[in-house]
Amino acid sequence: DIQMTQSPSSLSASVGDRVTITCRASQDIIHYLNWYQQKPGKAPKVLIFAATTLQSGVPSRFSGSGSATDFTLTISSLQPEDFATYYCQQSYSTPITFGQGTRLEI
Amino acid sequence: EVQLVESGGGLVKPGGSLRLSCAASGFTFSSYAMNWVRQAPGKGLEWVSSISSSSSYIYNADSVKGRFTISRDNSKNSLYLQMNGLRAEDTAVYYCARDPRSDVSRTTDYWGQGTLVTVSS
Repeated sequence: DIQMTQSPSSLSASVGDRVTITCRASQDIIHYLNWYQQKPGKAPKVLIFAATTLQSGVPSRFSGSGSATDFTLTISSLQPEDFATYYCQQSYSTPITFGQGTRLEI
Repeated sequence: EVQLVESGGGLVKPGGSLRLSCAASGFTFSSYAMNWVRQAPGKGLEWVSSISSSSSYIYNADSVKGRFTISRDNSKNSLYLQMNGLRAEDTAVYYCARDPRSDVSRTTDYWGQGTLVTVSS
């Protein structure tokens, strides 16, 4: 199974900050990496798929980069609605695996 | 508008069974693969099972193999998860999620709001 490791596990930031979350895969997954945002009591929402492609309707302050084993999610200027938990997920092979999550707090 | 609505969750005793349903609307259900993903209380996301659009391909997590069965009825725009031999560690919110492709691409684009399954005596 491919292990996905996110860092940091939690992060405190302020509105307007630039924030970067890292995801590392235990093997080369090329660009098969997706990012999700989840708010308390809500379903996850897809932000980015295939490492760099923004899902329709997602604000352009979100961006993804990386390939092979190292990936990043960047929020260029934090907005109040961005405080949530973020997960990476590899779609390279079955079983599908997720990172443990990064909790972004004010 | 794509909508996925899960139902069938509830409280069940260890060893019991439950069948979850996911009603799809707002898209051509028969053209998309589907997934079940779960989240234990206060924990992260765990993939459970995937099924291709025509049911030709099915994949299951090792943690549920031999106990859970994913299926779909394209005539009813519905996805199912039959859960047998339930254990305490199966307690979670279960989400259905659409794959953007007809084959299982292991990517999702839309998720339902989830249904809670609690396994406890």
